[in-house]
Amino acid sequence: RKEVEQDPGPFNVPEGATVAFNCTYSNSASQSFFWYRQDCRKEPKLLMSVYSSGNEDGRFTAQLNRASQYISLLIRDSKLSDSATYLCVVIYAASKIIFGSGTRLSIRP
Amino acid sequence: EAQVTQNPRYLITVTGKKLTVTCSQNMNHEYMSWYRQDPGLGLRQIYYSMNVEVTDKGDVPEGYKVSRKEKRNFPLILESPSPNQTSLYFCASSSLVGGQETQYFGPGTRLLVL
Repeated sequence: RKEVEQDPGPFNVPEGATVAFNCTYSNSASQSFFWYRQDCRKEPKLLMSVYSSGNEDGRFTAQLNRASQYISLLIRDSKLSDSATYLCVVIYAASKIIFGSGTRLSIRP
Repeated sequence: EAQVTQNPRYLITVTGKKLTVTCSQNMNHEYMSWYRQDPGLGLRQIYYSMNVEVTDKGDVPEGYKVSRKEKRNFPLILESPSPNQTSLYFCASSSLVGGQETQYFGPGTRLLVL
């Protein structure tokens, strides 16, 4: 079993829709959690950190469920520019950084 | 401008010919790492470095070497490249201060080993 698992998609949704991704992790000692966005042929860029209390940044909401060992990303009112691959990242210990394989999102007009 | 740079951006080489991909960051970050990204496998960590002269293996270190003689540079060395090392490589750096790590990635190096 992979340490961090994501549904690869692709998710194909119309503009304006709400879409949610989950990411599960296997190591209960995981400490920090992030969502990254990667555009085609580009480097990953930090989208947002994920906190236990949940956090929101504009149209994006991230949640962490430690009991069930998953993190989620919700995108409301999706835009064409949201089309990308979304990577979840789990860190345990100071140096062990694990990326999920990514979820592809495609927003159609 | 805060950034991570990698060179070269694209490289085609032949099996067995030693190559080095350079990585440099100007943010004074302690932590640097190398990843390779392959379809369906996501980003996998090759090596990382917690600080100068401190390096350690990631998940897929076989066939790679690194060095960290200066804080800003973290070159990736392929002593004898093989076709299975054809991949997209990213260098990243991050600050460990405050318990939260934000990783900044270089633009990537596309390597083709024939």
